[in-house]
Amino acid sequence: LAKTTQPISMDSYEGQEVNITCSHNNIATNDYITWYQQFPSQGPRFIIQGYKTKVTNEVASLFIPADRKSSTLSLPRVSLSDTAVYYCLVVSYSSASKIIFGSGTRLSIRP
Amino acid sequence: ETGVTQTPRHLVMGMTNKKSLKCEQHLGHNAMYWYKQSAKKPLELMFVYSLEERVENNSVPSRFSPECPNSSHLFLHLHTLQPEDSALYLCASSHAAGAGTNTGELFFGEGSRLTVL
Repeated sequence: LAKTTQPISMDSYEGQEVNITCSHNNIATNDYITWYQQFPSQGPRFIIQGYKTKVTNEVASLFIPADRKSSTLSLPRVSLSDTAVYYCLVVSYSSASKIIFGSGTRLSIRP
Repeated sequence: ETGVTQTPRHLVMGMTNKKSLKCEQHLGHNAMYWYKQSAKKPLELMFVYSLEERVENNSVPSRFSPECPNSSHLFLHLHTLQPEDSALYLCASSHAAGAGTNTGELFFGEGSRLTVL
């Protein structure tokens, strides 16, 4: 399983764009990059997943360079409700169901 | 509402008690998971069931005993727990790995907050 590294914490202000970068140097060909969001005392929630280039949905965008050794989750115009822990994971569809979460990035949004 | 329901939401038990946590999913998934999350720590994968067969057991103490009677239900039986077992226990479900519909996306319940006195 590819290990991921992301900042422990980040701060930003309402209305700003927030970019959280994750490194996954040992990503394998069959691996996908997946991001989750977790609020206090709740289970994590899937945000976005991608393999290469750019993926966008109603919540976020995910940028993946050609070498796939890193990825950036971009949250446009954040609000106070985006304060949460964000996890970057590398997931293989074909391997056993072993999805491991790291420490995540604790994002704090201020007024 | 994620389609994964955990009960009870809160549980307080003594070290000599026996209790069970229950998880039910209504998403048609065939893989279910137990994770433990202690205060300010990453989620720890405890058990994985795929097609009702246990495929992962991450060196969890025997005082935690999982049961998966069918693809929609998952239990975690607790006995003679220690205070350090106090944590948020999260259940999740997904399509089984390798299945054509598998996307690697987990759907989590809201968790059962366990306090061991």
